[in-house]
Amino acid sequence: EAGVTQFPSHSVIEKGQTVTLRCDPISGHDNLYWYRRVMGKEIKFLLHFVKESKQDESGMPNNRFLAERTGGTYSTLKVQPAELEDSGVYFCASSRQRYEQYFGPGTRLTVT
Amino acid sequence: DQQVKQNSPSLSVQEGRISILNCDYTNSMFDYFLWYKKYPAEGPTFLISISSIKDKNEDGRFTVFLNKSAKHLSLHIVPSQPGDSAVYFCAATYGAGGTSYGKLTFGQGTILTVHP
Repeated sequence: EAGVTQFPSHSVIEKGQTVTLRCDPISGHDNLYWYRRVMGKEIKFLLHFVKESKQDESGMPNNRFLAERTGGTYSTLKVQPAELEDSGVYFCASSRQRYEQYFGPGTRLTVT
Repeated sequence: DQQVKQNSPSLSVQEGRISILNCDYTNSMFDYFLWYKKYPAEGPTFLISISSIKDKNEDGRFTVFLNKSAKHLSLHIVPSQPGDSAVYFCAATYGAGGTSYGKLTFGQGTILTVHP
């Protein structure tokens, strides 16, 4: 069974530009999550999809962040326009049951 | 407001000895707890979990203990091996059946180094 994959693995952009991160969950996993880890701190929840519906987006920092999950398969997280404080590692996770989540390798975003 | 805290940033132990990683939480609504292990440049990997109706869960060399009255949990690794060297994250969630269930709240992580 293939694991959670994320693309790109690393992205360097300038402040004000747009970046789109992609996540492909494990096949058959209805639950998909986005998390972020900034500067070696704790991993923080951003949002949770169940199939194509947003179940909980309480962790989204502001309206510069937009997440979508088309057809209940892969998901994208767009940051527009990017700010310096958006730098960090963005993790995607998926699960069948809601608590044991399988994480992807993450996308390291650097905003300069 | 840090609801899950791992107060030890790092821990160093000798191979074969016991590693004890600690985690404290403040939100009494949490009813499910997990430990994840993370290697550099990889995502966190699920290790072991425990429901709030239990006080101990064992899986091979890994045991998690939960003390609800103290809002404290710990992960014991016995015996420790050099391959266990990684960052360990404690996480918690709550609200089975509700919209928040599945949202994990993580601690800051503890770097474990096991010396040969």
